[in-house]
Amino acid sequence: NAGVTQTPKFQVLKTGQSMTLQCAQDMNHEYMSWYRQDPGMGLRLIHYSVGAGITDQGEVPNGYNVSRSTTEDFPLRLLSAAPSQTSVYFCASSYAGGGYTFGSGTRLTVV
Amino acid sequence: GIQVEQSPPDLILQEGANSTLRCNFSDSVNNLQWFHQNPWGQLINLFYIPSGTKQNGRLSATTVATERYSLLYISSSQTTDSGVYFCAAYDYKLSFGAGTTVTVRA
Repeated sequence: NAGVTQTPKFQVLKTGQSMTLQCAQDMNHEYMSWYRQDPGMGLRLIHYSVGAGITDQGEVPNGYNVSRSTTEDFPLRLLSAAPSQTSVYFCASSYAGGGYTFGSGTRLTVV
Repeated sequence: GIQVEQSPPDLILQEGANSTLRCNFSDSVNNLQWFHQNPWGQLINLFYIPSGTKQNGRLSATTVATERYSLLYISSSQTTDSGVYFCAAYDYKLSFGAGTTVTVRA
């Protein structure tokens, strides 16, 4: 099925561990982005990319790294997990100026 | 960046009722989207509506870009309409409002 695929769906980490959240899209979209959603809040932008090899910071980038080596993939790396990074993470993709399609989310708990 | 405000924050409806959700944005935008987040957390794209009016079944949306607002109409609400409705404005990135939580009671 065409769309945005995120893995894993659930993850529990210990404080200080690192991990990578995977995101892949098969719609040949130029734009990809990562958001986090915390209880009672809207989605906040972490990092985004306007094409392969180009990334930039969003609203809440600290503690996260990204890279975009291909059009299809946009992984999000947590370098040293902290309890404040407990959240639901969404990946999205779009054409420039077009409608966004979101993945199903990754629920991350840091203990 | 673009500031997006949604109202009301919470809405309780009796099944069959109609309602209007509002989204104001602070600056000119290239696009405006409405999403429904269902109780399982999935974000469903409802409308991609930079201007004008669109309808999809019992839902419709209107964006007046010159006045910087968009409206989402829910008619004949059903319990499956429950969830959080987000609007998001796009200039060079997507900025979300805080959402309207809709509860439809049978």
